[in-house]
Amino acid sequence: EPEVTQTPSHQVTQMGQEVILRCVPISNHLYFYWYRQILGQKVEFLVSFYNNEISEKSEIFDDQFSVERPDGSNFTLKIRSTKLEDSAMYFCASRPWGTNTEAFFGQGTRLTVV
Amino acid sequence: KNQVEQSPQSLIILEGKNCTLQCNYTVSPFSNLRWYKQDTGRGPVSLTIMTFSENTKSNGRYTATLDADTKQSSLHITASQLSDSASYICVVSGNAGNNRKLIWGLGTSLAVNP
Repeated sequence: EPEVTQTPSHQVTQMGQEVILRCVPISNHLYFYWYRQILGQKVEFLVSFYNNEISEKSEIFDDQFSVERPDGSNFTLKIRSTKLEDSAMYFCASRPWGTNTEAFFGQGTRLTVV
Repeated sequence: KNQVEQSPQSLIILEGKNCTLQCNYTVSPFSNLRWYKQDTGRGPVSLTIMTFSENTKSNGRYTATLDADTKQSSLHITASQLSDSASYICVVSGNAGNNRKLIWGLGTSLAVNP
């Protein structure tokens, strides 16, 4: 069964460093998303991506964040200068064309900023 | 403000028993409502997706109901198993064009004990 894969599963980084979280969405999907979940809190929407551009982003997704789909398969989230409060699980999701199609989530990357 | 509220916050039941989880939402306009199961430290997995016109949908031992008039949904788990122990999250999608932002509940933490 096709699945969304994320790497790494766990990343520890020093405050101020740049991190890149990687995702390989399901191959025939068209919509891509990044979410984060701080421990014990709700899943929060960060950004959606369609047709090679950002279609929507939340207030959390400020200038420190960027996304790319560099080669038609990978979908990356970059945090330029990490802060302690960026520590969270980051989930990538993708879904196929359609109004009410199911979104498939990856297993997440646990980012720890120290 | 678009919100999704779930109850109870946590629940403990014995293996083999049934339970019902509740979700109230204020998202408008409404596109669909999803129930996800999230194991600790893992990505959410979709259980059901319901649109405005659907009142009930089943997926094995999981049955979701939707009352779009009162903006309420429930997830009923029949004959619970130890593997049902997880967080169950209600997610509502608003009608915001081609790319829809999901509004997440905090989830109900279910523990099934032997």
